[in-house]
Amino acid sequence: GAGVSQSPSNKVTEKGKDVELRCDPISGHTALYWYRQSLGQGLEFLIYFQGNSAPDKSGLPSDRFSAERTGGSVSTLTIQRTQQEDSAVYLCASSSDRGLNIQYFGAGTRLSVL
Amino acid sequence: DAKTTQPTSMDCAEGRAANLPCNHSTISGNEYVYWYRQIHSQGPQYIIHGLKNNETNEMASLIITEDRKSSTLILPHATLRDTAVYYCIAYNAGNNRKLIWGLGTSLAVNP
Repeated sequence: GAGVSQSPSNKVTEKGKDVELRCDPISGHTALYWYRQSLGQGLEFLIYFQGNSAPDKSGLPSDRFSAERTGGSVSTLTIQRTQQEDSAVYLCASSSDRGLNIQYFGAGTRLSVL
Repeated sequence: DAKTTQPTSMDCAEGRAANLPCNHSTISGNEYVYWYRQIHSQGPQYIIHGLKNNETNEMASLIITEDRKSSTLILPHATLRDTAVYYCIAYNAGNNRKLIWGLGTSLAVNP
């Protein structure tokens, strides 16, 4: 597609449930990033995929968070046993593997855990 | 990557130039200065980047001081649609490719 697409745009879930958030990057972009943004805060890095390399998971806040990227394209961020503090906007970005790492963002998924 | 410091908020009159400062006094020689902005309820949008020289594109101009310790993003004729949070990031393209995001400057363009 023309831009980074994320779905769903909004997700309301109950505490303890699992959720899956999807990101469809710009075609041909080899790098994909997940960020979390709490209300009024900057972006918090979660995980980074680059081609076939092992992902950089250093930003994942707990083992309830995981992500995968199948076929080098679409990525899914999974949060297990959601907690109220997981409520935030989850943003996905992609970039081409050409040095300067200009990132293109989706509109995000707003997650609300009740 | 170098830490950046920006004012929390700024105001600008519509049609006037908006000058957004950023301090990056610990920047190293191979770190670029990137600017992104985030309009309410949207994902961040890349604006411009530079290393040493001043840069201009269709969105903005970037002025980097000679010692590279600070920079200014200039929106030459601000419109209401430029109301957003503006982020200044120092980034080493050779490093781990993570951008470190601060809280940015909340720019309000007023009619």
